[in-house]
Amino acid sequence: NAGVTQTPKFQVLKTGQSMTLQCAQDMNHNSMYWYRQDPGMGLRLIYYSASEGTTDKGEVPNGYNVSRLNKREFSLRLESAAPSQTSVYFCAVRDKALRGYTFGSGTRLTVV
Amino acid sequence: AQRVTQPEKLLSVFKGAPVELKCNYSYSGSPELFWYVQYSRQRLQLLLRHISRESIKGFTADLNKGETSFHLKKPFAQEEDSAMYYCALSVNSGYSTLTFGKGTMLLVSP
Repeated sequence: NAGVTQTPKFQVLKTGQSMTLQCAQDMNHNSMYWYRQDPGMGLRLIYYSASEGTTDKGEVPNGYNVSRLNKREFSLRLESAAPSQTSVYFCAVRDKALRGYTFGSGTRLTVV
Repeated sequence: AQRVTQPEKLLSVFKGAPVELKCNYSYSGSPELFWYVQYSRQRLQLLLRHISRESIKGFTADLNKGETSFHLKKPFAQEEDSAMYYCALSVNSGYSTLTFGKGTMLLVSP
């Protein structure tokens, strides 16, 4: 039982390149989230999906797109990466059993 | 909009000393409050939520609605408590999202 799985764990991109961060959950929860973590800024919500087929913008959505492929998977896409998108990205699901949120292990992205 | 404030970026204490990590929030309704801990370069782990009123690893936190605070406390700090601590608030209004404070790094020295 992996909970929340993110791939890849590390990635280096050149400015202007595109990539997709993958997130999959085996907890059968409806709500999924993408956060970015930056020093001194805490975690900020990029996008979330309250249920399959729906997505909404969070606090910092510019430069990102998301797809809720099915109930298990929620991907984050950078169409044209910029150095300002260098960050650690976390996927999370709403864990109703704990009434909390369960996080993946993160993707460390560097854009050069 | 809701907001979470953690006034201290860094808190440094000696082993065995009491610890209090401050958290204040702004929200007019009834929020859910959480504390998450992140050990070096690992995923965030749920430490406490105010509803459960549990004590995890010796940490406790009480929601004070009058002062809109949810401070995290431990009477005797251990070196293994060194980590980044995040206070977070969840608002349920048809859907829910989690709003984080900027975090406090706790360093416990021997």
